[in-house]
Amino acid sequence: GQQLNQSPQSMFIQEGEDVSMNCTSSSIFNTWLWYKQDPGEGPVLLIALYKAGELTSNGRLTAQFGITRKDSFLNISASIPSDVGIYFCAGSARQLTFGSGTQLTVLP
Amino acid sequence: DVKVTQSSRYLVKRTGEKVFLECVQDMDHENMFWYRQDPGLGLRLIYFSYDVKMKEKGDIPEGYSVSREKKERFSLILESASTNQTSMYLCASSFGRRVNYGYTFGSGTRLTVV
Repeated sequence: GQQLNQSPQSMFIQEGEDVSMNCTSSSIFNTWLWYKQDPGEGPVLLIALYKAGELTSNGRLTAQFGITRKDSFLNISASIPSDVGIYFCAGSARQLTFGSGTQLTVLP
Repeated sequence: DVKVTQSSRYLVKRTGEKVFLECVQDMDHENMFWYRQDPGLGLRLIYFSYDVKMKEKGDIPEGYSVSREKKERFSLILESASTNQTSMYLCASSFGRRVNYGYTFGSGTRLTVV
């Protein structure tokens, strides 16, 4: 199957700091999606991106669909404790292909 | 809101047992998926289905089978459970053939095979 490289694997940040994570692929995708998984739950969709170059915000979250259609990034501004969890990128071709996840820990 | 319900949150089974993981969605979605989640490996697709009685292999189908007799229900079957199938299993559903809207996931079943 297609491979997505998501980085970093884990992050430890202080409350109030900004966070940035990204995904790259060797394949072109038509859609990029970002999910968050809280402990003990299934992933929940945060942001969907449909066009190359698109920049979309959802509250403190901002994500961009790379111009080459092979990458995407997610930024979280002014982190809070409830931002803790695993963040997954996913690229859409025939089915969704998921990255390996970024484990985010927010320290008080 | 779409709800995807997985019948068990935690399961412990013995090696060699036949295991059924059940998933039900309540919004008439055509597409249903089974993933397994392992640390550092992300979500890997086991099987999916675009219609009743239809199934297709994902990236890691070995050791698994599926059943979709009704639109709302998609079952994952481990014919003879092995310890390397200890994992978190996630069911998801989506509307239509377009994946632009993303998938809705259940809360997961954590399976331990001893």
